[in-house]
Amino acid sequence: GQNIDQPTEMTATEGAIVQINCTYQTSGFNGLFWYQQHAGEAPTFLSYNVLDGLEEKGRFSSFLSRSKGYSYLLLKELQMKDSASYLCAAMDSNYQLIWGAGTKLIIKP
Amino acid sequence: IAGITQAPTSQILAAGRRMTLRCTQDMRHNAMYWYRQDLGLGLRLIHYSNTAGTTGKGEVPDGYSVSRANTDDFPLTLASAVPSQTSVYFCASSDSRSATTDTQYFGPGTRLTVL
Repeated sequence: GQNIDQPTEMTATEGAIVQINCTYQTSGFNGLFWYQQHAGEAPTFLSYNVLDGLEEKGRFSSFLSRSKGYSYLLLKELQMKDSASYLCAAMDSNYQLIWGAGTKLIIKP
Repeated sequence: IAGITQAPTSQILAAGRRMTLRCTQDMRHNAMYWYRQDLGLGLRLIHYSNTAGTTGKGEVPDGYSVSRANTDDFPLTLASAVPSQTSVYFCASSDSRSATTDTQYFGPGTRLTVL
């Protein structure tokens, strides 16, 4: 079956760095997405990886290893506004997104 | 302002009633989607539409129907609501469903409670 695993909750300190891991198993693979979702709001797109390696976008970076079925989202210089859930989603061979349950990130001062 | 709108924002519904959730986008996107989001579970696809006039079933289509009469609108109908359909419903759109770099844009969601 198709499956996405990511930690349920993580806590980090303002100004620090945090890495949110995601492992996936899908029927075929057409890329890995990360979305941010603040409580009570809609998910918003953060990043997309289809090739192995690191994609950097400001304070956020996303990494993919296709051979390991693994991705991570790296958040640097954490700010209180980064408190949110981070959703990992893999696109299967039918171009359908398979979503993880999300990682709730709590930022402490 | 470009984007996706959903209505209503929230709704409490008696079991057995019929309900239509509305979704409209003004980005001229070809593909549209309906998801439900439940605590502890990932977003689950209910139905999708690749382009106006076509629809398809997602992971959890039972009890729901959709139509896509034009590019902008993609209503979701619960013919006879049941308590297990209590959830937050998100509508999303993307330029196309086949492009691997296609990004989905989400509406603000509808919080539905079925009693």
